Amino acid sequence: KAGVTQTPRYLIKTRGQQVTLSCSPISGHRSVSWYQQTPGQGLQFLFEYFSETQRNKGNFPGRFSGRQFSNSRSEMNVSTLELGDSALYLCASSYDSNQPQHFGDGTRLSIL
Amino acid sequence: QQQVKQSPQSLIVQKGGISIINCAYENTAFDYFPWYQQFPGKGPALLIAIRPDVSEKKEGRFTISFNKSAKQFSLHIMDSQPGDSATYFCAASYYGGSQGNLIFGKGTKLSVKP
Repeated sequence: KAGVTQTPRYLIKTRGQQVTLSCSPISGHRSVSWYQQTPGQGLQFLFEYFSETQRNKGNFPGRFSGRQFSNSRSEMNVSTLELGDSALYLCASSYDSNQPQHFGDGTRLSIL
Repeated sequence: QQQVKQSPQSLIVQKGGISIINCAYENTAFDYFPWYQQFPGKGPALLIAIRPDVSEKKEGRFTISFNKSAKQFSLHIMDSQPGDSATYFCAASYYGGSQGNLIFGKGTKLSVKP
């Protein structure tokens, strides 16, 4: 069974631009969560989607948004990029809300 | 406000020794406590998890000990191997509700010396 797939693996952007990251969950998984990982703040929850609906949202500004499609694939978007947005963005999927989450290898976003 | 505190930040253990990582939580509503292992360039991988209705769970060389009254839980790695060298994260969430909101500790970098 294929794991969680995130694309692209690496991305370089400049301040002010916007970016879209993609996540394909494990087949059959309906819940997708996004996390930001930085050396200073560690792993922080961004948001969770289940059946195309956002169910939870972390403490991040509105520049961070996401969506989920009918096939459970998810995208997250960051607008007006700032230097502090440089991070590893991780996607995790689970079958349902009360099932363990499995992570992808992330997208490394660098802001110049 | 850091809801899950993890220690130590780094740990060096000799091959064959026992690695112990500790976590403490504040919110008594948490009811699911997983541990993740992360290698450089990879995403976190679920190692083992526990719910507060048991005090200990063992899977191979990995054991979680849970102390509900102290609001603490720990990971023990028996017979530590160089291949166990990685960063370990504890986490907590509301298993009974939406589990999409894992609160992570800051991580422990484990080095196992041959």
